Amino acid sequence: AQRVTQPEKLLSVFKGAPVELKCNYSYSGSPELFWYVQYSRQRLQLLLRHISRESIKGFTADLNKGETSFHLKKPFAQEEDSAMYYCALRGTGFQKLVFGTGTRLLVSP
Amino acid sequence: DGGITQSPKYLFRKEGQNVTLSCEQNLNHDAMYWYRQDPGQGLRLIYYSQIVNDFQKGDIAEGYSVSREKKESFPLTVTSAQKNPTAFYLCASSTIQGDGANVLTFGAGSRLTVL
Repeated sequence: AQRVTQPEKLLSVFKGAPVELKCNYSYSGSPELFWYVQYSRQRLQLLLRHISRESIKGFTADLNKGETSFHLKKPFAQEEDSAMYYCALRGTGFQKLVFGTGTRLLVSP
Repeated sequence: DGGITQSPKYLFRKEGQNVTLSCEQNLNHDAMYWYRQDPGQGLRLIYYSQIVNDFQKGDIAEGYSVSREKKESFPLTVTSAQKNPTAFYLCASSTIQGDGANVLTFGAGSRLTVL
């Protein structure tokens, strides 16, 4: 079975501090991992996916198959990063996308 | 303006009534999905469809029904059998091939409240 765990409901940091939003997954095959973000009063949208291996808005995420993790990181948080972040997993082939419970990031000035 | 349109944005229902939430997309996406979003529970999949006239149950399909008569449309009916229907409902779509495959585009959502 596919499962995504985001252990933190809320992560509060000060502007300029490093940020790491944790995501662990359970899947026996080769997964595809995503981070989606929902800013206040905006639609849920894709932030990044592991196969792209790119940095979006200063965020990066590396798939660690040994630790079954896909943590989202940013070296210096900005106030505009405050949002709800969801980690998601899809298995091999066309399968449903399974979401974690989400982490709310609050960046204070 | 391409995207996904959900309506209504807010809906109130009395217990025992069925309600239908609309979802329309003009992105020419093959796949469409319905998720339910509850605080502390993330997004849970209700139903999804990869092609017209075909759909599959997600994790929490009980008390819901869907249809996919047109590629652009994927309405969700919340029936009286759904025991806890008050929630925020999100519709999404995606391609199923190419670079954009499996990347979901979401609607703005519909908030259903049962009185």
